[in-house]
Amino acid sequence: EVQLVESGGGLIQPGGSLRLSCAASGFTVSSNYMNWVRQAPGKGLEWVSVIYSGGSTYYADSVKGRFTISRDNSKNTLYLQMNSLRAEDTAVYYCASVQGSTTSPFDIWGQGTMVTVSS
Amino acid sequence: QSALTQPRSVSGSPGQSVTISCTGTSSDVGGYNYVSWYQQHPGKAPKLMIYDVSKRPSGVPDRFSGSKSGSTASLTISGLQAEDEADYYCCSYAGGYTFYVFGTGTKVTVL
Repeated sequence: EVQLVESGGGLIQPGGSLRLSCAASGFTVSSNYMNWVRQAPGKGLEWVSVIYSGGSTYYADSVKGRFTISRDNSKNTLYLQMNSLRAEDTAVYYCASVQGSTTSPFDIWGQGTMVTVSS
Repeated sequence: QSALTQPRSVSGSPGQSVTISCTGTSSDVGGYNYVSWYQQHPGKAPKLMIYDVSKRPSGVPDRFSGSKSGSTASLTISGLQAEDEADYYCCSYAGGYTFYVFGTGTKVTVL
C-alpha cells in the first residue's frame, strides 16, 4: 500500500528547532518530487518546500533560510528541519508526493503532524 | 505570490450542481494548464480530485469536473451528495521558484 506517515510534531518555543519525518511505503521517495505543505489552524494550504529526485531543493520565501528539506534514501524517509521557529509557523505539516514532473499534482498525502510554536 | 481567490462558501441541495471558482493571474492559473483541485474533510488530509485542469484520477466520481477560462479555473460538482460536504482547494503550478500556489479554500455545504 502506498502511504506516507509523518511524525515529529509538537509544542516548541519561539526560536526553537524541530525536525519532522515522513516515512514512505509502497514507493521510493528518491524517485519522486517530495514536498512539505502546511496548514495553519483554520486557514488554507501553503506550499513550503520541495526536494527533486536529483536532490535539488527549493523553499517558499516564508521559510527560506530557516527550514531545510532532506531525505534518507536508505530509510525511504523525508525530513524537514525547522530552525528559528516563529508563532506563524504553527500549522499542520503534510508531506506530499508528486510523481513524474514538477507540474504534476500532489497525489499522495500523509496524515499530517501538528507543530505549535508558543511560549 | 498571493493565494488564488476562491469564494468562501457555496451550498446546494442534494442532487443539485455547484461550481467553485479559482481566480489567479497570468503567472499561475492563466499561464499553465496545471490546475488541480483537492477535497479536504475536517481533520483529514487533502485528496486529489482533479488535475491538469480537467482530468480525474482513478476512483474519483465523474460528478466532479474541472475547466478553465483565462486566469479562472472552476470545479463543478454535479448531483451533489452528502459526502461532498468538505473544503475544496485549487492549486496551480506557478513556475520559477514559486512552484505551487494554493487557493484560499471553499467550504461546500450540502443543505
